[in-house]
Amino acid sequence: GAGVSQSPSNKVTEKGKDVELRCDPISGHTALYWYRQSLGQGLEFLIYFQGNSAPDKSGLPSDRFSAERTGGSVSTLTIQRTQQEDSAVYLCASTLGLEGNTIYFGEGSWLTVV
Amino acid sequence: AQTVTQSQPEMSVQEAETVTLSCTYDTSESDYYLFWYKQPPSRQMILVIRQEAYKQQNATENRFSVNFQKAAKSFSLKISDSQLGDAAMYFCAYSGGGADGLTFGKGTHLIIQP
Repeated sequence: GAGVSQSPSNKVTEKGKDVELRCDPISGHTALYWYRQSLGQGLEFLIYFQGNSAPDKSGLPSDRFSAERTGGSVSTLTIQRTQQEDSAVYLCASTLGLEGNTIYFGEGSWLTVV
Repeated sequence: AQTVTQSQPEMSVQEAETVTLSCTYDTSESDYYLFWYKQPPSRQMILVIRQEAYKQQNATENRFSVNFQKAAKSFSLKISDSQLGDAAMYFCAYSGGGADGLTFGKGTHLIIQP
């Protein structure tokens, strides 16, 4: 596609429920990132996918968070047993994967846990 | 680990005036990349300007320019002839390339006074 596409744009869920957030990167981009932006904060790195390599999961805050990337394209971020502190904007980004290459962001998924 | 510091939580400028946003960073690398991203209320992270550390010349994009001081590890953004559409959160970001992606500062909220 022309840009990074994320869905849903907004999601309200009850505490304890599982949620799935989807990211469709720019066509041809081999690298994909998930970031979390809490209210009034900067962006926190969550996970990185590069081609078919094993993902870098070092930023995931707990084992309730997981992500997969099928066929080297679309990625899904799953949060299990959501907590109120999970409320944030989840931003997906992609890049060609070359060193220093510009990273392009989607519009984010705004998650509210009530 | 790399860190990025934006010391101005909020800045205000009159329309058509010039404003400078500050950013400092800490790294032990010699080759890296620096970025300024703009995030309007729509949440979309938009690349404003990027600088390769090996280049001495400061990057310029129309009304946006940077003052890159490698020895001081400083990377400020100057916006000339400020426009109402420039109002947004501005994030400074560092990339050493590869799996780390971008390390972000906490952002500066720029207000444009008509």
